[in-house]
Amino acid sequence: DVKVTQSSRYLVKRTGEKVFLECVQDMDHENMFWYRQDPGLGLRLIYFSYDVKMKEKGDIPEGYSVSREKKERFSLILESASTNQTSMYLCASRPNGGLGETQYFGPGTRLLVL
Amino acid sequence: GQSLEQPSEVTAVEGAIVQINCTYQTSGFYGLSWYQQHDGGAPTFLSYNGLDGLEETGRFSSFLSRSDSYGYLLLQELQMKDSASYFCAVRGSNYQLIWGAGTKLIIKP
Repeated sequence: DVKVTQSSRYLVKRTGEKVFLECVQDMDHENMFWYRQDPGLGLRLIYFSYDVKMKEKGDIPEGYSVSREKKERFSLILESASTNQTSMYLCASRPNGGLGETQYFGPGTRLLVL
Repeated sequence: GQSLEQPSEVTAVEGAIVQINCTYQTSGFYGLSWYQQHDGGAPTFLSYNGLDGLEETGRFSSFLSRSDSYGYLLLQELQMKDSASYFCAVRGSNYQLIWGAGTKLIIKP
């Protein structure tokens, strides 16, 4: 089975702090994604990566950056956390050529910024 | 803009059948997917429709009409464990998934 893990289930940070969210997948997938999920808004794509060191902006990249130094690891960075970044963050991965772009999700990190 | 519309909440009785609709407006269309998410859990893939028609997987079926920009997820013989949120998602012109806001399915005994 595909396994996608995220470094923390819950995280509490203060405004202005630099925050790192880590995601690791064990199935050699080329593509990895970071979403945020807010009530009533569904999943919104922040960034994605289709290869090592490659990154593309999603729909809401402002305030975020990413890093993909190894194929299995995709990191989301909040350079200076703000309260409006309080959310559930979901990481996903997908192989090239997967049926219907099927994505495999990690358990999520619920981030609270005070 | 690109958007997907689905009901925010649907209520049904255990053992019954329920249909969750999804209409989409996207620039480019490369298939409609459905995901299930239990409270506190991660979304998991349920089904995919690339062409018009019905796809069946056990108690779950999914339908697509590209001419109507419409699809639905049909759940039969509802069980309490089916209580979850269901998301439709469309692969758009940038090859990334665009997600609906989700439908919360409430099942009563």
